[in-house]
Parts: sequence; C-alpha cells; structure tokens
Amino acid sequence: TQLLEQSPQFLSIQEGENLTVYCNSSSVFSSLQWYRQEPGEGPVLLVTVVTGGEVKKLKRLTFQFGDARKDSSLHITAAQPGDTGLYLCAGESNFGNEKLTFGTGTRLTIIP
Amino acid sequence: DAGITQSPRHKVTETGTPVTLRCHQTENHRYMYWYRQDPGHGLRLIHYSYGVKDTDKGEVSDGYSVSRSKTEDFLLTLESATSSQTSVYFCAISEFVGRTDTQYFGPGTRLTVL
Repeated sequence: TQLLEQSPQFLSIQEGENLTVYCNSSSVFSSLQWYRQEPGEGPVLLVTVVTGGEVKKLKRLTFQFGDARKDSSLHITAAQPGDTGLYLCAGESNFGNEKLTFGTGTRLTIIP
Repeated sequence: DAGITQSPRHKVTETGTPVTLRCHQTENHRYMYWYRQDPGHGLRLIHYSYGVKDTDKGEVSDGYSVSRSKTEDFLLTLESATSSQTSVYFCAISEFVGRTDTQYFGPGTRLTVL
C-alpha cells in the first residue's frame, strides 16, 4: 500500500507570513496533485506536477515535485485568509491507473 | 463544475440499519469513485467503477457494497451500518487531462451512525 504523509497536520499562521507544506512517500509516483478543500465541500484540484524537479506557480502558491518523484511541497507566499482550508496531496502510481492515493492532509488557518 | 450531486447530504441512522448513498453525474464519465474522509486519514478509496456493472474494491471496502446500473448513478450501500462507518463520504468522477487522471468531487454526505 502506498502512503503519502503530509506535514504539518495543522498550521496556523498570521496573514502575510510564508509557509511550506510537505508531502512525502517512499513510493514513486508518475504524477502528484494538490487539492484544496473548504468546509462542507469536496476537494478541488489546484495543480498537477508530472516531471521530477518540476516547479509550478499559481499566483502566490509554488508547487514542487521532488527529483525522485517521491515527494512534493507547496509554498505559499504572503498568506491571506482566503488560503484557509484543508490541503491534500494525491499521487498517481502509473499514468492511466485511474486511482489516486491521497495524503493525510494539512489543515491551514490564516489569521487576519 | 463536473455536474456531480450526492444525496442525501446529511443522514443520521442507527447501528444495524441499511443505508444507501447516491451519486449522480450528468457528464457521462466512465470512472466513478466512493471515498470516505476521516480526520488524520485524508481520503480513502472504498470502491470504484469503470463502467456500468463494472466495479472494484478500494483499500477500505469491508462493510460496503456498490452498484452501477446506469452510467450516471453510482450507489454506495452499507448493509448493516456500524459506528465506525460514521464519516463524510465523497463521490468523484475521473477525467483525463493530458496523461494524468484528474478527479472532481461531489459536495459530500455526512453520515452519523448512532
């Protein structure tokens, strides 16, 4: 069974600060996705990274896929209250596998 | 919006009773999934379907069964609900974007088993 461990599990910071969330595994993934989930709703895809070492930016969010494709990070610059939510990483073991392994989640709270 | 609805959105039931949750999609996607979400566990796959009457087990399938008699509907049944099945249940569909699988989720069903 593939496992994806996220750290930290909870994070509460002041508005304007920077933060990094980590997603780690001992398994190799063909792609790694990040989702954000708000209370009472389902997760929504933020980004997919496919190539080892790949970096993608989405406004103030920077996503990186590890060189060995076993880990990923999400960095948020100048966090805002609207960034509050549950962040989930999800790995696809093989292209076309049609199944994702989800991480344990990081609950982020940005304090105004 | 992937056109996914779940019903009911909330349900309280008693131990030992059968419960059926419904997922409905409007865009003819082939793959559909049922997950449960619990604190500290992220999302765990219960069952999934790759076509009408084609289903397979996920990592936490014990105590659950599914059926898919039409493309648009995927039903999750708890034959005899237990308190350990108290959870939030999400349905999802799968869409290929490039080489990768992207999943779109419904709004969830909060189930409480007393």
